Amino acid sequence: SQKIEQNSEALNIQEGKTATLTCNYTNYSPAYLQWYRQDPGRGPVFLLLIRENEKEKRKERLKVTFDTTLKQSLFHITASQPADSATYLCALASSNTGKLIFGQGTTLQVKP
Amino acid sequence: ETGVTQTPRHLVMGMTNKKSLKCEQHLGHNAMYWYKQSAKKPLELMFVYSLEERVENNSVPSRFSPECPNSSHLFLHLHTLQPEDSALYLCASSQGLRNTGELFFGEGSRLTVL
Repeated sequence: SQKIEQNSEALNIQEGKTATLTCNYTNYSPAYLQWYRQDPGRGPVFLLLIRENEKEKRKERLKVTFDTTLKQSLFHITASQPADSATYLCALASSNTGKLIFGQGTTLQVKP
Repeated sequence: ETGVTQTPRHLVMGMTNKKSLKCEQHLGHNAMYWYKQSAKKPLELMFVYSLEERVENNSVPSRFSPECPNSSHLFLHLHTLQPEDSALYLCASSQGLRNTGELFFGEGSRLTVL
């Protein structure tokens, strides 16, 4: 069955370091992948989209990679700040249906 | 402000009550969605509407009844719910169904069923 896995354990890092979050998937051929940020009690907010034929995408301090061979996406936040503390969700869209399926999210805690 | 407004933000109801969740989007989008988010679980897609027509119903129990009177408004009618239905219910919209555009989410309605 189709499965999307994000590290369920919280990631704790020191301010200024690079945070790296992982999204793995199985039995899936996504057309594209999206990353969202969700703060407690709020709805998710879109951050970045990367397509299956793209290896890397950047936006300010954010970088996303997409390896369709490894079936994995990595999400990096460089020079992390306490304000980056949140839960980060990856979501994959099927090339057939366009339906967006979400992972369970990884919580990032950046300590000052 | 994402352009998607959900009301109420919090709702407590008994198992025999009937209530409704409301969602309104001001973005001119054609597709609207209901998602359920339970603790430590991925977002679960419940319903999808495209141009006011329901295009997906993900095996959701009939005690949840969606309504889309126009492309800007989406409702989720609730009746005889169970305690396990307590969750954050998120509404989202997108430009269309099959493009690669992002989803714009509302802030959610936190539902507690006693």
